[in-house]
Amino acid sequence: EPEVTQTPSHQVTQMGQEVILRCVPISNHLYFYWYRQILGQKVEFLVSFYNNEISEKSEIFDDQFSVERPDGSNFTLKIRSTKLEDSAMYFCASSLAGAEFYNEQFFGPGTRLTVL
Amino acid sequence: GIQVEQSPPDLILQEGANSTLRCNFSDSVNNLQWFHQNPWGQLINLFYIPSGTKQNGRLSATTVATERYSLLYISSSQTTDSGVYFCAPCNYQLIWGAGTKLIIKP
Repeated sequence: EPEVTQTPSHQVTQMGQEVILRCVPISNHLYFYWYRQILGQKVEFLVSFYNNEISEKSEIFDDQFSVERPDGSNFTLKIRSTKLEDSAMYFCASSLAGAEFYNEQFFGPGTRLTVL
Repeated sequence: GIQVEQSPPDLILQEGANSTLRCNFSDSVNNLQWFHQNPWGQLINLFYIPSGTKQNGRLSATTVATERYSLLYISSSQTTDSGVYFCAPCNYQLIWGAGTKLIIKP
């Protein structure tokens, strides 16, 4: 069964460093998403991406964050200068279609980011 | 924005018991998903249910979109059902509730 994959599973970094989290969405899906979950809290939407551009982003997704689809399979989230409060589990998701249609989102296993 | 309330926040049951988890949302939505977050943090899709009733084994879900709520039923609970259950209505993005933490005791 097709699945979303994410690498690495755990990333430890120093405050101020840049990190890139990688995701491979399900191959025929067209919509891609990043969410994050701070330990013990609810899941929060960061950004959605379609047709090589951001379609929606939340207030959390400020200038420190960027997303890219560098090739036909990968979808990345970059945090330019990490802060302690960026420590969280980051989930990538993908869906076949957008909100007006059948758009069940499928999630990867997550990358746990720890900023020291 | 849309508010999502899940109840109860915590639930402790003996193995074999049945349970009903509720999700209320404050505005109309296009779709709704239920997830199980296992103890390893993975989000497992349970149901994609914008309206009506669906069943999958011991689990079933009902969404009444006109009344803005959804219910998740778990029958004959097993210890592996433990974890956090999230409801996430969706317009252009999933909007997450705080979850129901379920503990099934052997």
